[in-house]
Amino acid sequence: DTAVSQTPKYLVTQMGNDKSIKCEQNLGHDTMYWYKQDSKKFLKIMFSYNNKELIINETVPNRFSPKSPDKAHLNLHINSLELGDSAVYFCASSTASGNYGYTFGSGTRLTVV
Amino acid sequence: GIQVEQSPPDLILQEGANSTLRCNFSDSVNNLQWFHQNPWGQLINLFYIPSGTKQNGRLSATTVATERYSLLYISSSQTTDSGVYFCAGRPGGGATNKLIFGTGTLLAVQP
Repeated sequence: DTAVSQTPKYLVTQMGNDKSIKCEQNLGHDTMYWYKQDSKKFLKIMFSYNNKELIINETVPNRFSPKSPDKAHLNLHINSLELGDSAVYFCASSTASGNYGYTFGSGTRLTVV
Repeated sequence: GIQVEQSPPDLILQEGANSTLRCNFSDSVNNLQWFHQNPWGQLINLFYIPSGTKQNGRLSATTVATERYSLLYISSSQTTDSGVYFCAGRPGGGATNKLIFGTGTLLAVQP
């Protein structure tokens, strides 16, 4: 009964590969997000979707492509992985107004070698 | 854009001590939250506190929205309180729904 679940938790892959991270929420929220946490622990938004529609795209390389098949799912596909993509990626969800707060998944630690 | 400053950046406590963490915003924010990132990397929601004061066990938080700051109080600290504490808020005005995070306070509680 996890509220926001991400898979996989860990991902180790070689440069140049393509990989996907999946996210699902069962809170009935209509807005979902991807955040990136860098090696200095700074958390920054990448994308936001509201009811399957892209709302925010924060100057992220177009190798990153989010996809929202429905409002409970937001997946992140990354093409041609680079060393600098190594980070922890968090999925989150909220109501459109953000009232009652944002709920985060447990994160996916991506390591590109 | 909005800046979120947290202080102190690092804190070492002996078990049983109390502490206060502060979060300052450069502009008005909505939907202020406090999170604890534990040593395993999980982001745990502590408080959703756009204004006022809330308490949950040994933790409490106060937000003074008009003065653009929030405080997190930890009393009788335990080693399990170790980790990074983040505050985050959504810029006021409703133009965006992105949550802006502070730089965090790294807390180490020693036995």
